[in-house]
Amino acid sequence: QVQLQESGPGLVKPSETLSLTCTVSGGSISSYYWSWIRQPPGKGLEWIGYIYYSGSTNYNPSLKSRVTIPVDTSKNQFSLKLSSVTAADTAVYYCARFWFGELSGINWFDPWGQGTLVTVSS
Amino acid sequence: EIVLTQSPGTLSLSPGERATLSCRASQSVSSNSLTWYQQKPGQAPRLLIYGASTRATGIPDRFSGSGSGTDFTLTISRLEPEDFAVYYCQQYGSSPLFGPGTKVDIK
Repeated sequence: QVQLQESGPGLVKPSETLSLTCTVSGGSISSYYWSWIRQPPGKGLEWIGYIYYSGSTNYNPSLKSRVTIPVDTSKNQFSLKLSSVTAADTAVYYCARFWFGELSGINWFDPWGQGTLVTVSS
Repeated sequence: EIVLTQSPGTLSLSPGERATLSCRASQSVSSNSLTWYQQKPGQAPRLLIYGASTRATGIPDRFSGSGSGTDFTLTISRLEPEDFAVYYCQQYGSSPLFGPGTKVDIK
């Protein structure tokens, strides 16, 4: 079965760029959407964006100016780059597969990675 | 822009009781676009219900979803100890959106 694993620095300085990678195992990254979602400590879930394996993207409007989600199909990986971070970007960052039926509208995030805590602090 | 509201914020119940969680959209949405997740402390969210009422693979039948238009409900018929968690609804229109969550805790 498909499994996802986030990796990257757990501490990022203010104003720098947060970079995380999600490695997909047990299946191909092709033919699906791949997403990043974050959760500040003690708070709810916030969708960051997704990328289709072919490269098309959709980003949360509130983060769009700072977010890039590239995909590397040769490595079965996709990444998150969030620039100009502040303390408000401190969160557990999850990667997840997003399934969306264009005709039905049915959609879900599944499976999810275990999440990785990124703290923004000097 | 659609806003999702979940109520109550916290639901305090005992094992064996019935839990009724509400998710309300600020405007009418397709039932197919509404999804529910369960999240336990320290864990990633788990897919429960998609299309407002279809249980995901492996989800016990004590979980059920219903609703249409702006009002959707997740019902847990008889709470088991492992059901005490936070539940999120999520909707996809032009982009995915999560509700703020309902915490179901032990009374």
